[in-house]
Amino acid sequence: EAQVTQNPRYLITVTGKKLTVTCSQNMNHEYMSWYRQDPGLGLRQIYYSMNVEVTDKGDVPEGYKVSRKEKRNFPLILESPSPNQTSLYFCASSQRTTYEQYFGPGTRLTVT
Amino acid sequence: ILNVEQSPQSLHVQEGDSTNFTCSFPSSNFYALHWYRWETAKSPEALFVMTLNGDEKKKGRISATLNTKEGYSYLYIKGSQPEDSATYLCASPSGTYKYIFGTGTRLKVLA
Repeated sequence: EAQVTQNPRYLITVTGKKLTVTCSQNMNHEYMSWYRQDPGLGLRQIYYSMNVEVTDKGDVPEGYKVSRKEKRNFPLILESPSPNQTSLYFCASSQRTTYEQYFGPGTRLTVT
Repeated sequence: ILNVEQSPQSLHVQEGDSTNFTCSFPSSNFYALHWYRWETAKSPEALFVMTLNGDEKKKGRISATLNTKEGYSYLYIKGSQPEDSATYLCASPSGTYKYIFGTGTRLKVLA
């Protein structure tokens, strides 16, 4: 089954404790992206990757890091999480931007 | 228009009514326009990706049109059903790779 998986689905953590949210797709897609969703603000792009070892900033990259060492995986790293990073996070992938994106199930992160 | 804007923000319609909503996007450097359907507690799912001016796409009772010269797209739902209740998002890649999403139109279909 074609899918995008994210782990964990739910996470409660404390300020400053490094964490990684994993994202994996099995569709051999070149393009992958991370979004955060906050009430009233819609989906905002954090980082995206056009292919292996090629990443770039979206609209809200501050406080996040990503890597793309393999085509299927695109982890999101929060080196020192802060309460303003409490949000719902989605990973997505597509062949390229003229094709539909497939979204993962989401990760709800709470930073206290 | 510098951002992707959607209207209305929310909409309540009766079962059987037809409805439509608007997505406005920057018309310069247009690359593609995406529509997604997002049900509560689920992930967004793609409805359409449109790239050509004048494009019209249809999936069942849902259709969309695209005007790249003036920078807008309409999404139409014919004969709305309660299962159509969802938030409908549009997104336009800014340049080739960076996405800008609208804040969505929340549709509630009353039985």
